[in-house]
Amino acid sequence: AQSVTQLGSHVSVSEGALVLLRCNYSSSVPPYLFWYVQYPNQGLQLLLKYTSAATLVKGINGFEAEFKKSETSFHLTKPSAHMSDAAEYFCAVSDLGGGSYIPTFGRGTSLIVHP
Amino acid sequence: DAGVIQSPRHEVTEMGQEVTLRCKPISGHNSLFWYRQTMMRGLELLIYFNNNVPIDDSGMPEDRFSAKMPNASFSTLKIQPSEPRDSAVYFCASSPVMSPGTDTQYFGPGTRLTVL
Repeated sequence: AQSVTQLGSHVSVSEGALVLLRCNYSSSVPPYLFWYVQYPNQGLQLLLKYTSAATLVKGINGFEAEFKKSETSFHLTKPSAHMSDAAEYFCAVSDLGGGSYIPTFGRGTSLIVHP
Repeated sequence: DAGVIQSPRHEVTEMGQEVTLRCKPISGHNSLFWYRQTMMRGLELLIYFNNNVPIDDSGMPEDRFSAKMPNASFSTLKIQPSEPRDSAVYFCASSPVMSPGTDTQYFGPGTRLTVL
């Protein structure tokens, strides 16, 4: 069965610093992987997705993530944090292990950006 | 496109009352999902539909919850009777593909439900 672990429920960075949000997954077959962002009082929006093409995936707002099969990881990075990046970030995985692609979401990581 | 539309945005009700949450998916999308988000349990998938047919409702917490999708442009999630532990944000999402986990899900703004 697939599962997702997001390390750190809260990550705090200074404006301009590197952002690194960690996601590890468990999947018995090649997975689809996603990062979503949720701003206060809004629904989730897609940042980027991995669907078995390039292992380095670029998304919106300067975010990118690298699929590392050997480490079963899909960490999200951004070179320089902006105040507007403060939000909740969710990693999601789906595979065909259960007979259909049902996505599983992580518990989320709250990104705090200090001026 | 207007995106996924949910109503109401906020609902406050008393224990024992019936609650109906509504969702209009993005036109042309084949899959529709209902999620519940709480601090304790995170984001939980309750049920999803493909072409208006319920495919997996294993996430529905109990018989008090029911969901319908009478046509491609409308879905409801009903709680009857409601209980305080049902208080949460309920999201509807839609996807353009039949296999929900292979492509982007488009989320609505959510309905914040408070059961007193």
